[in-house]
Amino acid sequence: NAGVTQTPKFRILKIGQSMTLQCTQDMNHNYMYWYRQDPGMGLKLIYYSVGAGITDKGEVPNGYNVSRSTTEDFPLRLELAAPSQTSVYFCASRRGVAGGPRDEQFFGPGTRLTVL
Amino acid sequence: KQEVTQIPAALSVPEGENLVLNCSFTDSAIYNLQWFRQDPGKGLTSLLLIQSSQREQTSGRLNASLDKSSGRSTLYIAASQPGDSATYLCAVLNEKLTFGTGTRLTIIP
Repeated sequence: NAGVTQTPKFRILKIGQSMTLQCTQDMNHNYMYWYRQDPGMGLKLIYYSVGAGITDKGEVPNGYNVSRSTTEDFPLRLELAAPSQTSVYFCASRRGVAGGPRDEQFFGPGTRLTVL
Repeated sequence: KQEVTQIPAALSVPEGENLVLNCSFTDSAIYNLQWFRQDPGKGLTSLLLIQSSQREQTSGRLNASLDKSSGRSTLYIAASQPGDSATYLCAVLNEKLTFGTGTRLTIIP
């Protein structure tokens, strides 16, 4: 059981380039999330999904896109990279049994992205 | 909109002391509250999960309390050790998890 995995671990992009951050979970969780964490700051929600085929915007969605074609995968797409998108990106999943004793979020190790 | 605040932003204490980290939130209609630990340059490790119906949760030297009516949670660390040095984040769950900005804890040997 690998939990939540993210690739790549590190990436440097030039302004205007595009890339996809991959996230996969093997816990059969319904809910998946993408966060970004800027230096010295807390985590801000970019997008989330409550199940395959369903996605919704979080707090800071501009400049990003997501899709959820399977329960396991939740890729995050950056179309035109900007320096403001330099950050650490975390993917998370959650079972979704609201308020239950096992309703906790599990995080991937993060992707450190630099846009120059 | 849920807002989560953690005070203090940074804390230094000598090894062996007991300490309390604070977390407050504005919307008490939460499913649960989670405390995380984050080491520099690393991901998040879940420490404790308190369901909305619970008042506290314990794991080893850690004890977390929850008072939904006042919108507060505390994380108590007993007999602190240098290995406890990290940033501690609290997060409250509705449909989404809203994070505080964290408390950076340094334990002085």
